[in-house]
Amino acid sequence: GQQLNQSPQSMFIQEGEDVSMNCTSSSIFNTWLWYKQDPGEGPVLLIALYKAGELTSNGRLTAQFGITRKDSFLNISASIPSDVGIYFCAGAQGGSEKLVFGKGMKLTVNP
Amino acid sequence: DGGITQSPKYLFRKEGQNVTLSCEQNLNHDAMYWYRQDPGQGLRLIYYSQIVNDFQKGDIAEGYSVSREKKESFPLTVTSAQKNPTAFYLCASSREREGQDTQYFGPGTRLTVL
Repeated sequence: GQQLNQSPQSMFIQEGEDVSMNCTSSSIFNTWLWYKQDPGEGPVLLIALYKAGELTSNGRLTAQFGITRKDSFLNISASIPSDVGIYFCAGAQGGSEKLVFGKGMKLTVNP
Repeated sequence: DGGITQSPKYLFRKEGQNVTLSCEQNLNHDAMYWYRQDPGQGLRLIYYSQIVNDFQKGDIAEGYSVSREKKESFPLTVTSAQKNPTAFYLCASSREREGQDTQYFGPGTRLTVL
């Protein structure tokens, strides 16, 4: 099946640093979603984006829906140890409930 | 509290046995989904259901079966025909609403076939 290109695949940062990750596709999406997954748990929705160009914040998280509708990015500011986990992007093309997922970005935060 | 529950959290089965994973939601969502997650991989769609008594195959349906007799429940059976069943299984649900495809996930079931 189709997948999104999510980069980077992993990041190691120091506590307090900012981190940025993105997802790209050759196809247009109508919805972009960002999830965080802790080990052995289900993904938890962080931010949902429904309009091209939309910039949305949730605490220290900021995500944007790319104007071309083919990409999205997620920023985490002032990272803390509990930010550790795997971050997934997902997109929906509309007309179907199926989501397309990126492979995830594993974040490690050193205290 | 509203949410999605999956049980059990861990499941062990012998090779050749069928096993059924439970997924229940009280969010009044119309659509429900089953995904499989392997280490270092993204989520792969097994089956999904948009309405009671109807479901469609996802990308990797072979060796799996589902039923949707009630809106709240979408059990997944991993049959003996599934060649590599050991994985983390995730259930999700979403509302049927145009332009709002947000899926919410359960806590997952880790299946180990010995």
